[in-house]
Amino acid sequence: GAVVSQHPSWVICKSGTSVKIECRSLDFQATTMFWYRQFPKQSLMLMATSNEGSKATYEQGVEKDKFLINHASLTLSTLTVTSAHPEDSSFYICSAAALGTLSYGYTFGSGTRLTVV
Amino acid sequence: DAKTTQPPSMDCAEGRAANLPCNHSTISGNEYVYWYRQIHSQGPQYIIHGLKNNETNEMASLIITEDRKSSTLILPHATLRDTAVYYCIVRVESEKLVFGKGTKLTVNP
Repeated sequence: GAVVSQHPSWVICKSGTSVKIECRSLDFQATTMFWYRQFPKQSLMLMATSNEGSKATYEQGVEKDKFLINHASLTLSTLTVTSAHPEDSSFYICSAAALGTLSYGYTFGSGTRLTVV
Repeated sequence: DAKTTQPPSMDCAEGRAANLPCNHSTISGNEYVYWYRQIHSQGPQYIIHGLKNNETNEMASLIITEDRKSSTLILPHATLRDTAVYYCIVRVESEKLVFGKGTKLTVNP
């Protein structure tokens, strides 16, 4: 089946630095990828929709200048958390769907746990 | 806002069937019912989806009421590894997935 690889699985960074998270579709092409954030004991919150070759669409309340999304190819989307602060510490998850299989929903990556100290 | 209502938590004995309910009284005619689950500290996993008819796959069965206002996910023989948060989501095909709070299922030995 479709596999989505997310890297790194965890990262610790200092306040003020930037962190890049990669999301790759390993055996399929994905024109659309989604980025979610999940705080402890809460549900997943959609942050943005990433479209290959175009600007990402951000959900209301998500700062696009802080969470930079790039979807340069059909198999790779990246999320960069810029000038990270402790309140950005969270579990970040991406998802994607293979072309022609949208009716089967989306495949999710294993997530990236970000800790900002 | 999520379009579904699920109980916050449920318990089930190992080996027994787990029946997880979901209410979606405002579902539209072209919206599907999807079920995902999330095991602790992992990404969500697709389980099953349906439009009108009941569906079954190797993981579970999905029972949708005739008026489509509610559904039940059935795990026929729950194991300890089925302990997870289960999310019921209604959406049109290709639409983004919006997660509600889900049901935390605990399978007990």
